[in-house]
Amino acid sequence: DAGVIQSPRHEVTEMGQEVTLRCKPISGHNSLFWYRQTMMRGLELLIYFNNNVPIDDSGMPEDRFSAKMPNASFSTLKIQPSEPRDSAVYFCASNPLGSYNSPLHFGNGTRLTVT
Amino acid sequence: SQKIEQNSEALNIQEGKTATLTCNYTNYSPAYLQWYRQDPGRGPVFLLLIRENEKEKRKERLKVTFDTTLKQSLFHITASQPADSATYLCALVVNDMRFGAGTRLTVKP
Repeated sequence: DAGVIQSPRHEVTEMGQEVTLRCKPISGHNSLFWYRQTMMRGLELLIYFNNNVPIDDSGMPEDRFSAKMPNASFSTLKIQPSEPRDSAVYFCASNPLGSYNSPLHFGNGTRLTVT
Repeated sequence: SQKIEQNSEALNIQEGKTATLTCNYTNYSPAYLQWYRQDPGRGPVFLLLIRENEKEKRKERLKVTFDTTLKQSLFHITASQPADSATYLCALVVNDMRFGAGTRLTVKP
């Protein structure tokens, strides 16, 4: 079991550029979550997919953020255009039962720095 | 407003002692509460889950309590070891999963 795989591990970009973060959930898990972690705000839920369908995107900060899950084994989180305040660690997580009642399995995150 | 508060940002204890971490919440009625461990540069790792109708849950040296009247969960690590040093996060499950800011535990040899 390779766990949840995120890429890249680190991303440094300039303000205004497009950023794409990638996630491969654990095989067989039918729910996928994107979180953002900062010192000020802790871990915040951005969006949640169940069976590849977005269920709750109320945490997505604004229209600059978009997420897709074209199939059960891949998801992307895109920021366009990026801003310095988007600097954070972005985590992807998956779980097998499609609900918050079961534990989440997190990837090791993408550390994004926008200058 | 809804809040999840973990008692302190940092907790330092001596090896062999029991570490007790607190998670308080307001304006939530969670059905479940989970505890996670996070090491630097890594994602959170699940430790324990406790349901609202359960008072206590144990796993090896770990114990979690859940008091829905006090709106509080306590997380205990007995016979602590330097390897237990990490940040511990509580998470409330209502319609979604909300995390506390975490407590950084340091166990000194």
